[in-house]
Amino acid sequence: GQQVMQIPQYQHVQEGEDFTTYCNSSTTLSNIQWYKQRPGGHPVFLIQLVKSGEVKKQKRLTFQFGEAKKNSSLHITATQTTDVGTYFCAGPGGSYIPTFGRGTSLIVHP
Amino acid sequence: NAGVTQTPKFQVLKTGQSMTLQCAQDMNHEYMSWYRQDPGMGLRLIHYSVGAGITDQGEVPNGYNVSRSTTEDFPLRLLSAAPSQTSVYFCASSYGGEGSYEQYFGPGTRLTVT
Repeated sequence: GQQVMQIPQYQHVQEGEDFTTYCNSSTTLSNIQWYKQRPGGHPVFLIQLVKSGEVKKQKRLTFQFGEAKKNSSLHITATQTTDVGTYFCAGPGGSYIPTFGRGTSLIVHP
Repeated sequence: NAGVTQTPKFQVLKTGQSMTLQCAQDMNHEYMSWYRQDPGMGLRLIHYSVGAGITDQGEVPNGYNVSRSTTEDFPLRLLSAAPSQTSVYFCASSYGGEGSYEQYFGPGTRLTVT
């Protein structure tokens, strides 16, 4: 599968601050997925991006897919304590089984 | 629909013991997979299946066996447990095929090997 590198590994923010996590690949990706895992929980699918330059929004979350389809980002505006968790990007692997990045853990301080 | 279910939720094994982690889905998904999650390592693919009777190895298959006799079930067998297999194990399923990549995860099994 295609490797995806995710940064940063951890991010501490004060509630109300913005947060961004980045996902990078050395090769072109046909698609990228984003998942959220709450502490003690399981990963939950957030979104899939397919098109070059695509931007999608879900309330305070903005997802972008780079023009070259080698990078993606997730931006959260005005974080809340409910945003706490680990955010994973996933690129396409063999037989359509995704390959996950190592995740970015978001810690929100009230 | 129950989605993806996993049993047990917690398990403690001694080195050398064997066990089977159960996974079932009721969404008629063709694709099923097993991941392990270790701190700082993300989700690593162990084995996967693209349909009943078809399985293949992922990134970290050593020490694990799988089989897929039905669409619904995809058990993971630990042949001889080792402390390095202490981890959280997630089963996932997806509809499969191009354009249908969304993975549905089970609640996980937390395994400790002493």
